[in-house]
Amino acid sequence: QVQLQESGPGLVKPSETLSLICTVSGASISSHYWTWIRQPAGKAPEWIGRIYSSGTTDYNPSLTSRVTMSVDTSKNQFSLNLRSVTAADTAIYYCARARYCTSATCFGGLDVWGQGTTVTVSS
Amino acid sequence: IQLTQSPSSLSASVGDTVTITCRASQGISSHLAWYQQKPGTAPKLLIYAASSLKSGVPSRFSGSGSGTDFTLTISSLQPEDFATYYCQQLNSYPLFTFGPGTKVDIK
Repeated sequence: QVQLQESGPGLVKPSETLSLICTVSGASISSHYWTWIRQPAGKAPEWIGRIYSSGTTDYNPSLTSRVTMSVDTSKNQFSLNLRSVTAADTAIYYCARARYCTSATCFGGLDVWGQGTTVTVSS
Repeated sequence: IQLTQSPSSLSASVGDTVTITCRASQGISSHLAWYQQKPGTAPKLLIYAASSLKSGVPSRFSGSGSGTDFTLTISSLQPEDFATYYCQQLNSYPLFTFGPGTKVDIK
């Protein structure tokens, strides 16, 4: 079955860049939208953005100045970079697959999630 | 688009029928999903397109609604259903917001 696995540092210093990779197994990364979600402790999930296998991206407007997503189809991976982090970026970060998407909507929901990785921003 | 959920929490007994409401600040057609999340785990997709049950999800879960008002119903609540439930709208590009969540716990 399709599995996603997040990887990256668990601790990032303030003002530095948070970098995470999501490795997809059991399915090709091609022809799908892939997303990043984060969830601060005790709060609801927050949409960070999505990337299509061609490299087309959509970002949360509140994060767009600091976020970059990319895809590596040869490795079946996609990645997240979040620049100039602060303590407010401390959260569990999830990658997930979005189903049945057009350029504007995704009516199929997020059907496969990684287990999540905890990222703490602290000096 | 903002999503509100009600109630924010509820207590119920095994066997009860539970209804959770999600309201969008503007119309989102049927582009709404429901998720279940248990502590320490990722959210799990239950319902997509407002009323379509994801394969493998028990039929006691059902969703309805379109436009701005949506409901998730759990019939005959089971012990494994005690969790937090989130709605998510996937209509308003580029931001697919989540609701604040409804925690269902044991009475």
